[in-house]
Amino acid sequence: DQQVKQNSPSLSVQEGRISILNCDYTNSMFDYFLWYKKYPAEGPTFLISISSIKDKNEDGRFTVFLNKSAKHLSLHIVPSQPGDSAVYFCAARAGAGSYQLTFGKGTKLSVIP
Amino acid sequence: SAVISQKPSRDICQRGTSLTIQCQVDSQVTMMFWYRQQPGQSLTLIATANQGSEATYESGFVIDKFPISRPNLTFSTLTVSNMSPEDSSIYLCSVSSGLITDTQYFGPGTRLTVL
Repeated sequence: DQQVKQNSPSLSVQEGRISILNCDYTNSMFDYFLWYKKYPAEGPTFLISISSIKDKNEDGRFTVFLNKSAKHLSLHIVPSQPGDSAVYFCAARAGAGSYQLTFGKGTKLSVIP
Repeated sequence: SAVISQKPSRDICQRGTSLTIQCQVDSQVTMMFWYRQQPGQSLTLIATANQGSEATYESGFVIDKFPISRPNLTFSTLTVSNMSPEDSSIYLCSVSSGLITDTQYFGPGTRLTVL
């Protein structure tokens, strides 16, 4: 049973518009969430994270929103750029002392020029 | 963030053989991890490589199949033993400084195909 779900395998967005990538989780013990970006033939690159004590974290064009009651988080990219085209993974960690990351299957974002 | 390299970057192997993957970090790190990404699947943690002691394996992974070494704070190896086509995956190492909220940084991965 997948504890971290990214229900959209792919997403296409026009350059300059907003990209919204969604992630749902089932384990209420998760208290730290991360987004990674992965280009083909490369390892995942850390993008942004959020602790469960917050509901929003922003870093430049990237903002992550966390809705704990709904067990849902989203990554917003504004404005989207062609270089953002990649696979985006949502990951979660379960509590203090746990280093294990549980990943979703990823969403492939295509930003169309 | 640390710079992480893996060798080989890819390999094609025959079933029944073994392959050792190396992970080198440019600075000392507390925690090193090995992940597997099977085709179309998410990344799954295989084990935590502990310096000076045996690795800690996740459920479904065993030492006989995936022996791990970590001789120092900058280097680790993962061996995929007695390979079968089901072992065809991308294998990734990641590192962390060990702080509770610290981020894990990933190597470029090793793409393994077993015929």
